[in-house]
Amino acid sequence: QVQLQESGPGLVRPAETLSLICTVSGGSMSNFYWSWIRLPPGKELEWIGYIYSSGTTKYNPSLKSRVTMSVDTSKNQFSLRLNSVTAADTAVYYCAREFNLGFHYYMDVWGKGTTVAVSS
Amino acid sequence: DIQMTQSPSALSASVGDRVTITCRASLSITSFVNWYQQKPGRAPKLLVSAASNLQSGVPSRFSGSGSGTEFTLTISSLQPEDFATYFCQQSYGIPRTFGQGTKVEI
Repeated sequence: QVQLQESGPGLVRPAETLSLICTVSGGSMSNFYWSWIRLPPGKELEWIGYIYSSGTTKYNPSLKSRVTMSVDTSKNQFSLRLNSVTAADTAVYYCAREFNLGFHYYMDVWGKGTTVAVSS
Repeated sequence: DIQMTQSPSALSASVGDRVTITCRASLSITSFVNWYQQKPGRAPKLLVSAASNLQSGVPSRFSGSGSGTEFTLTISSLQPEDFATYFCQQSYGIPRTFGQGTKVEI
């Protein structure tokens, strides 16, 4: 049973960089897409982007200029960096595995989420 | 971006009720819709993929239907463990986008 666990600081100062890690247990990272999604308070889920196990990335255009994702399959981890944060980046951050079957893609495993607040 | 408009945002129901949640896409996405369930403090759970494929282990009272721009998630007989938030998501394009969520309450 694959499980995901997010980790990182719960508080980030404005203008600084938010850094989160997702640790994958119970399975291999190979040949999967690994996603980050966030839920700002009172808003809907927002897809931040994904990274393939080979390192190829796709980001949400709305965040692309501030986002960097990386993967370390030897550690079974992938990470998110979001720079120049503001209060609007306050959210619950989730990592997830995006599985593809033929042409269809779906997020079949999720972490429980980690709350990140941006505040001075 | 493809907009996913989900309704209702919340509903009150009783055990045994039939519940229907709708998502409308801003353009035709054929069957590229997934449905998830989330309970407070827990990871979201995939219920239905590709509009109508029930995931292994998900009770048969859940079903998904639709194609093009209109999609529905139906719970045929609501059970106590089904009180949760449900949301749709399109996988037709990048960026992935989600519906606003439907909170199913007693």
